[in-house]
Order: sequence, then C-alpha cells, then structure tokens
Amino acid sequence: DQQVKQNSPSLSVQEGRISILNCDYTNSMFDYFLWYKKYPAEGPTFLISISSIKDKNEDGRFTVFLNKSAKHLSLHIVPSQPGDSAVYFCAASASTGNQFYFGTGTSLTVIP
Amino acid sequence: GAGVSQTPSNKVTEKGKYVELRCDPISGHTALYWYRQSLGQGPEFLIYFQGTGAADDSGLPNDRFFAVRPEGSVSTLKIQRTERGDSAVYLCASSFAGTFTDTQYFGPGTRLTVL
Repeated sequence: DQQVKQNSPSLSVQEGRISILNCDYTNSMFDYFLWYKKYPAEGPTFLISISSIKDKNEDGRFTVFLNKSAKHLSLHIVPSQPGDSAVYFCAASASTGNQFYFGTGTSLTVIP
Repeated sequence: GAGVSQTPSNKVTEKGKYVELRCDPISGHTALYWYRQSLGQGPEFLIYFQGTGAADDSGLPNDRFFAVRPEGSVSTLKIQRTERGDSAVYLCASSFAGTFTDTQYFGPGTRLTVL
C-alpha cells in the first residue's frame, strides 16, 4: 500500500538540459510535499517543499509543481549539473499526522 | 552546527542477537524520528518522539523493536532476536518542533546486516 509512488527508478539527462522527476500519491489527506536528495552513504537532505495551497514553488534551479486534482507532483531542475546526480525521494505528510511518507526514489544521472 | 549523527555506521550481527543503534539529533530539536530503508525502497517510518515520549510508534514492525529517548536528546533503537529480514539502513532524523511541515534533518544511517 505504497501511498507515494515514483514510477521511474532512473533518469539520465545531459548537462545543461532540464531534469523532470515525477511523483504520484494516493492519499487525499496529504497536504505538504517535499523532495529530498540522497548521495551514497549519506542521509537524505532536504531540497524543496510545497504546501497544498500552492501549485508551484521555486528555489534557484529547482521548481516543484503540484497538481492536486491529479495527485501528482514533479521536480524540475534547470539547468542540470553533474553534481545533481543523486537519488531523489518524494515525500508527503498530512496535518493529521507527523510522519513523512516516502516514495521509492529516482536515481538521476547528469551526463557531462 | 553539527548535524544528526548515528553510530555505528555499520553493524554486522548474527541471527538471534540483540543490537542497539544510537542517534544524536541536532541540539535543540524536540522531535526525533526513526526510519528504515530497505534496498530499492524509500525510508519507511518506524517511530516518532516528541521530547522523551514516543508520540507515534505505529511503524514499529513487531515487539522485537523498541526505542527510547530518556532525556529528550539521544535516542537508541533496540532490536531483539534479530532476523535476516531486519537487514536494512536505519535512518534517524530530527526536526525543531515536529509539526507536519517541519523539515526533518537526516543522519547518515546505520547499515545493519544480519547474517
């Protein structure tokens, strides 16, 4: 009963191009969404978040889009850099609880 | 300042043994979380502490798993009678207040291998 899904286990992109990572969720109670980035042998680090009252949040090269009706969010990285190569996890939480629900991750490789 | 630290970084044990995993959260953070990450999966919630008390332990898989945070800072995750299926990376995270929008800061994890 995976409530947060990332259907693409991996993605390769040329340096300078746009990377688009997708995430779907099933629980309509989720109202806060985050993206975490993880390098090997390190813990996940927070990247960007979005509240359900918004449909877009931007931070430098990173933009998160939320489509509540489709229960879908995406992370755009423009332009992609080799240092962005990592595993990206989508996570969601609800105001009724306190835990984050994570997707299975997408491994991004940015090719120089 | 210092981030979340976890010890040991790696633990190899034999089936049936008892293990303890330690987490030092960021100073001043009242909320502490334990997650388990199996191969190819995302972090899976185990337990959440607010101060010294376990506010939500709904993610603990069975009664072999137990966690404490006696002084509201350091936490220890304890696993009794380990099984091969317990092999995973155990992640600890802390946040300032524990609200649902509070950023959780993760440690590097402890990789547990049960032989």
